[in-house]
Amino acid sequence: GNSVTQMEGPVTLSEEAFLTINCTYTATGYPSLFWYVQYPGEGLQLLLKATKADDKGSNKGFEATYRKETTSFHLEKGSVQVSDSAVYFCALMPTPTGANSKLTFGKGITLSVRP
Amino acid sequence: DAMVIQNPRYQVTQFGKPVTLSCSQTLNHNVMYWYQQKSSQAPKLLFHYYDKDFNNEADTPDNFQSRRPNTSFCFLDIRSPGLGDTAMYLCATSRDRGHTDTQYFGPGTRLTVL
Repeated sequence: GNSVTQMEGPVTLSEEAFLTINCTYTATGYPSLFWYVQYPGEGLQLLLKATKADDKGSNKGFEATYRKETTSFHLEKGSVQVSDSAVYFCALMPTPTGANSKLTFGKGITLSVRP
Repeated sequence: DAMVIQNPRYQVTQFGKPVTLSCSQTLNHNVMYWYQQKSSQAPKLLFHYYDKDFNNEADTPDNFQSRRPNTSFCFLDIRSPGLGDTAMYLCATSRDRGHTDTQYFGPGTRLTVL
């Protein structure tokens, strides 16, 4: 079946530090890959996505590249801010799609950024 | 500007007392989803509507039902809530069910069963 594995957390960084959150997946075919962010007490917000191999998604200084050869979609940011403190979920949507297709999430990782 | 709206944001109910959560969308999307998210866990899909076609997940308890009276609205009914149903309930929408279609989430309803 399809699965997403995220690195264990939580992660605590100082402001302006470099961030990497690892994500690897297992799926047949060519899934689409997503990063969602969830701020405390809120719903999920799409951070970025990539729909084919070698695509790079980017938003708000975050980037992730779809690596088919390593089945990975690691999230990076060059300089984190306190406001980036949240839970980050990696997810995939498999192909082919239909009634039984669903977004498969990783367990999520909590990022805390201290001033 | 809100695209997916959930009401109420917080709901407290008593064990066994039916409760209904509401979701509306201004995106005119075909697909509406309901997820359950327990503390420190990933969201778990309960069911979804593709237009008027209801699609239940195999492991969703019968206690959970849903209605979609029109394109814009979808409701989650919990017929006899148990303590284990305390969770955040997230509604999401997508234009279609293709693998490139993004799901847009609402802010969630935090349900507490006492």
